[in-house]
Amino acid sequence: EDKVVQSPLSLVVHEGDTVTLNCSYEVTNFRSLLWYKQEKKAPTFLFMLTSSGIEKKSGRLSSILDKKELSSILNITATQTGDSAIYLCAHRAGNYKLTFGKGTLLTVNP
Amino acid sequence: DVKVTQSSRYLVKRTGEKVFLECVQDMDHENMFWYRQDPGLGLRLIYFSYDVKMKEKGDIPEGYSVSREKKERFSLILESASTNQTSMYLCASSPGDRFSNQPQHFGDGTRLSIL
Repeated sequence: EDKVVQSPLSLVVHEGDTVTLNCSYEVTNFRSLLWYKQEKKAPTFLFMLTSSGIEKKSGRLSSILDKKELSSILNITATQTGDSAIYLCAHRAGNYKLTFGKGTLLTVNP
Repeated sequence: DVKVTQSSRYLVKRTGEKVFLECVQDMDHENMFWYRQDPGLGLRLIYFSYDVKMKEKGDIPEGYSVSREKKERFSLILESASTNQTSMYLCASSPGDRFSNQPQHFGDGTRLSIL
């Protein structure tokens, strides 16, 4: 059974700090690893990493896939209070199905 | 921008009622999904539809059914609501065939309480 584990489960930082969120996966047939940000409502898509695209960056957010270690990290630099959210990691195997981790709750204090 | 709209943000129903949750997407996506999200359990897939009238069970289909009569609309039905179905329900859609590697886009969710 495919499994996705995120760590830490929760994290509290101050504005301006840099954070690293972790995601590890045990899968039978890797296709892609996705990151989502969830504030009060809809999870919004951040990045998708594949064998042909192991590093993505958008503004202060970046993500790297380590296929050898079966893991991914999401980095946020110069954090702002608006970055406070649950960050979800999900893996896609051979078909349509996404297997989600339990998420990391990030709180950024002013 | 992809828009996935769920008909209600909050819903309160009674045990034994038949409950309908509606989801509409405006991007002509082939695939639509229903998840529930519970603290400590994350998102779990209830049902998936890859075309009109086509559906597949997810990880936790028991107690639920779905309907997809039109491409843009995917309904989740609780045949006889029970208190353990109190949860946040999220609808999502994605383009491509059922093996597509495209990201899923989510609606805002319906927080359903069964009393």
